[in-house]
Amino acid sequence: EDQVTQSPEALRLQEGESSSLNCSYTVSGLRGLFWYRQDPGKGPEFLFTLYSAGEEKEKERLKATLTKKESFLHITAPKPEDSATYLCAVQARGGFKTIFGAGTRLFVKA
Amino acid sequence: EPEVTQTPSHQVTQMGQEVILRCVPISNHLYFYWYRQILGQKVEFLVSFYNNEISEKSEIFDDQFSVERPDGSNFTLKIRSTKLEDSAMYFCASMGGANTEAFFGQGTRLTVV
Repeated sequence: EDQVTQSPEALRLQEGESSSLNCSYTVSGLRGLFWYRQDPGKGPEFLFTLYSAGEEKEKERLKATLTKKESFLHITAPKPEDSATYLCAVQARGGFKTIFGAGTRLFVKA
Repeated sequence: EPEVTQTPSHQVTQMGQEVILRCVPISNHLYFYWYRQILGQKVEFLVSFYNNEISEKSEIFDDQFSVERPDGSNFTLKIRSTKLEDSAMYFCASMGGANTEAFFGQGTRLTVV
């Protein structure tokens, strides 16, 4: 069964304190792994898609990496406005369903 | 910037009533989805829609649920007889292609009383 597990559930950082969020996945043939940001009461906002092991993508203070079993979202020198829930999701080849993890709630204190 | 629009933003309904949630996907997108998120829980896939038919659905999407694309712009989710456990945020999403990212709307908060 396709599955996505994110850790930690919550992460508290000081402004400027870099860290990483983990996403472990099990999927029968990966079509794509997605990272989203979700603010309270809002829809997920797309950040990155990764398709194959070894791939990396960057956007401002965020960098996403992918291996055959997990993905990391690295946050460099975070700011308070980076506080949100970060969601990881996978889509299997041959299907249309996207499986989401439970998310990591990130709190960045000034 | 193009966006997915959902209406209403909040709907309160009596148990047993029918509700229709509406979505306007991004205009040149081909793949359409409904997801739900019960408060404090994961985003859950309900159904995908491509080429005017359901392409995949989850176990949650039983006979009480239906989707329609009645014209070139709207995509609707109907719940025929709402239950208390249907209370959740419902998100519509659209994708331009099979290997592209999904853009989500801001959601409809459904409260069944």
